[in-house]
Amino acid sequence: DIQMTQSPSSLSASVGDRVTISCRASQNVGSYLTWYQQQPGKAPRLLISAASNLQSGVPSRFSGSGSGTDFTLTITSLQPEDFATYYCQQSFRNPFTFGPGTKVDIK
Amino acid sequence: EVQLVESGGGLVQPGGSLTLSCSVSGFSVGTNYIHWVRQAPGKGLEWVSVIYSGGSTYYTHSVKGRFNISRDIPRNTVYLQMNSLRPEDTAVYYCARDPGFLEACDIWGQGTMVTVSS
Repeated sequence: DIQMTQSPSSLSASVGDRVTISCRASQNVGSYLTWYQQQPGKAPRLLISAASNLQSGVPSRFSGSGSGTDFTLTITSLQPEDFATYYCQQSFRNPFTFGPGTKVDIK
Repeated sequence: EVQLVESGGGLVQPGGSLTLSCSVSGFSVGTNYIHWVRQAPGKGLEWVSVIYSGGSTYYTHSVKGRFNISRDIPRNTVYLQMNSLRPEDTAVYYCARDPGFLEACDIWGQGTMVTVSS
C-alpha cells in the first residue's frame, strides 16, 4: 500500500498568516493527490484535486503544488474559517490512503 | 439538488452485521464513482471502499471479505453491507461522490455512526 505522511501534525497560526502543509507519498503517485478540509463534526470538503486544481467555490488563498512524492498545501492570509484539519489523499492506487491530517488552530 | 444521505448506522454487537445505505439525488450512481470513507472517534479519515461506474469494486485490506459494496441504480442508492463487525469498525461512515474526471470526492454525505460494542 502507498503510505501518506503529513507535516506538521499540528500548527498554531494567527489570522493573516501564511501556512504551508506538506504531504509525502511512499511511492510516486504522479499528480493523483487531493487535499480536503474538515471542520469538527462536519464532513470533509474538497479543496484541491490533481495536486493543484482548485475546486470551484474554494477561495484563491488556497493553493496546491507538487508531483511524484512531495506535495504542498499553502494558505495565504489565513482566515478565521480556515482553522480546521487538513488531509491529503492519494488516488493513484487502491487502497486510496489518506494522510494522518494536519490540525491548524488559533495561536 | 445534488445530495448524498447515509442511513442505517447504529449499535451492533461484535460479530454482528449492519447494512448502510447511501441515497443519492441530483445525479446517478450508475455514472459516478461512490466511495465509503470512515472516521473513528477522534481519529483521521480512512478510505474503505469504492464502486465504479462500470461496477468494479475495491476495498481496504482490513474490511476485505467482511464488507460488500453494491448499488441499486433504479433506486439510486449505494449500500455497504458489513459483516463480522469488530470494535475497530466503530466510526462515522461517509459516502461520497467522485464524478470520475476529478479522481477526488466533491460531494459528501453527512455521515452515519456505527458503534460495535457488547
